[in-house]
Amino acid sequence: DIQMTQSPSSLSASVGDRVTITCRASQGISYYLAWFQQKPGKAPKSLIYAVSSLQSGVPSKFSGSGSGTDFTLTISSLEPEDFATYYCQQYSTYPVTFGGGTKVEIK
Amino acid sequence: EVQLVESGGGLVQPGGSLRLSCAASGFTFSDHYMDWVRQAPGKGLEWVGRTKKKVNGYTTEYAASVKGRFTISRDDSKNSLYLQMNSLRTEDTAVYYCVRIYSSGFYYDYWGQGTLVTVSS
Repeated sequence: DIQMTQSPSSLSASVGDRVTITCRASQGISYYLAWFQQKPGKAPKSLIYAVSSLQSGVPSKFSGSGSGTDFTLTISSLEPEDFATYYCQQYSTYPVTFGGGTKVEIK
Repeated sequence: EVQLVESGGGLVQPGGSLRLSCAASGFTFSDHYMDWVRQAPGKGLEWVGRTKKKVNGYTTEYAASVKGRFTISRDDSKNSLYLQMNSLRTEDTAVYYCVRIYSSGFYYDYWGQGTLVTVSS
């Protein structure tokens, strides 16, 4: 199975900060990398697919980059509604696997 | 508007069975692969399995942790996805989400709101 390792597992940031979350795959996954946002008590929301493509309706403050095994999610300027847990996912190979999550908290 | 509504969750004893349903609306259900994903309390996301569409023979794939115990099926005439869960274990306790897969990209786009399954004596 492909293991997805996210770092950090949590971070504290202020409104207006630029935040970067990294995700490393245990083997190459081409461009089959997605990111999700989850708020407490809610279902995950799809943010990004194919490394850097934004889902419909997702604001441009979110961006994704990377290739091969190393990927990043960047939030250019944190807003109050962005405090949540973020997960990466590889969908290159079965089983589909997720990173452990990064909780973004208010400083 | 795409909607996925799960139902069927509840409390079940270890060794018992439960069948979850996911009612889809707002899109052509038969055109899409569908997944089940679960989340244990306070934990991360775990893929459960997938059903492909008719042209792919309704082929299914499963996580090792549920293979042989869980069965995914679909009824395109009812726009519904199912998860039959047998031989349930306490570690199967989780919120179960159904997820739509975008037709040509194989990535997730829409999630249901989830249904809670609690396995406990």
